[in-house]
Amino acid sequence: IAGITQAPTSQILAAGRRMTLRCTQDMRHNAMYWYRQDLGLGLRLIHYSNTAGTTGKGEVPDGYSVSRANTDDFPLTLASAVPSQTSVYFCASSDSSTGFDTQYFGPGTRLTVL
Amino acid sequence: QQQVKQSPQSLIVQKGGIPIINCAYENTAFDYFPWYQQFPGKGPALLIAIRPDVSEKKEGRFTISFNKSAKQFSLHIMDSQPGDSATYFCAANPNNTDKLIFGTGTRLQVFP
Repeated sequence: IAGITQAPTSQILAAGRRMTLRCTQDMRHNAMYWYRQDLGLGLRLIHYSNTAGTTGKGEVPDGYSVSRANTDDFPLTLASAVPSQTSVYFCASSDSSTGFDTQYFGPGTRLTVL
Repeated sequence: QQQVKQSPQSLIVQKGGIPIINCAYENTAFDYFPWYQQFPGKGPALLIAIRPDVSEKKEGRFTISFNKSAKQFSLHIMDSQPGDSATYFCAANPNNTDKLIFGTGTRLQVFP
């Protein structure tokens, strides 16, 4: 069982370019999340999805979009990257169908926008 | 706005010491308080968690102390080891949501 996989591992991107970060889980969890991690700011929620077909905005959603076409995949898109989006991005999932449960995190994607 | 405040930002202890990391939450009702451990280059992983109906939870060398009236909770690591060197995040789950609000993290270094 792989758990959560993220791709790419790292990426350097020119400002203004479009970028999609991929996230796939094999645990059949209903809920998925995208966070960004910045030094001194901890983990901040960008977008989330409680179940396939639904998404919601987190604390810092501007400049990002997500989709949840199926249970396993939850891609995060930067339509036009800006340097302030340089960060480490983590995808997570949880089985919240029986109440709040542990969030399991992927290995992260380190993104640098120049 | 930061609803979960974590301190200190960094902590250095010698092997065998007892590092303590503190978190405080504001206003919003929370009903689940996990702590996550993150090693360099890895994603955070659940370490230990507590619900507000108990004041303490212990798992191995890790203990959470919870003070509901003060809206504070802390992580204690007994007999700390170099392998405990990592970044630790506290978090809180707002009632009736699947979300977590994280603290800003504490980088712990345990020297031999």
